[in-house]
Amino acid sequence: GEDVEQSLFLSVREGDSSVINCTYTDSSSTYLYWYKQEPGAGLQLLTYIFSNMDMKQDQRLTVLLNKKDKHLSLRIADTQTGDSAIYFCASGDSSYKLIFGSGTRLLVRP
Amino acid sequence: GAVVSQHPSWVICKSGTSVKIECRSLDFQATTMFWYRQFPKQSLMLMATSNEGSKATYEQGVEKDKFLINHASLTLSTLTVTSAHPEDSSFYICSATTGGNTEAFFGQGTRLTVV
Repeated sequence: GEDVEQSLFLSVREGDSSVINCTYTDSSSTYLYWYKQEPGAGLQLLTYIFSNMDMKQDQRLTVLLNKKDKHLSLRIADTQTGDSAIYFCASGDSSYKLIFGSGTRLLVRP
Repeated sequence: GAVVSQHPSWVICKSGTSVKIECRSLDFQATTMFWYRQFPKQSLMLMATSNEGSKATYEQGVEKDKFLINHASLTLSTLTVTSAHPEDSSFYICSATTGGNTEAFFGQGTRLTVV
């Protein structure tokens, strides 16, 4: 079946940039998403990118998409302690059914 | 943005009983709702896709007789875990979409603990 993979853990110092990487296998993915999950909470959509784009910037967030390599990344500039959470990438098609990666736990050190 | 509300946020039940979880779209009509399950420290796994007025489509390996899904209106879908067992303890999350947007909106999740 289709698969989405992420690195499991990332630790950065407050103020540095964080880059979370993701690879996916589904060629028919129309949208690629980044979600944030804080402990015990649901999912918060951070940003998404259409599969025909290669970059999207939204304030501190920059998403890069390499469609040829099926590689997606999320860069968080000036990372803050409040950014500590689990970040999920997900691929979706026109049905809005999402395939999630395993999640990357981001720890921001003061 | 659109709001999806799940109820209850958490529930503890005895083994063998049934539990119903509600997913409501508060300010939009959801033609399609999705139910996910998340085990501790794992990712979300899609359980089923629910379209208003029709039977849910279950993913492979999900028992449809155990996880009953009803989507009787455009703003409400329910997931009933029947004859719950401790291995059903998990975090259940729903999402809803109108089909015309680029995102599905997620509920806050329901933590089920079966004792």
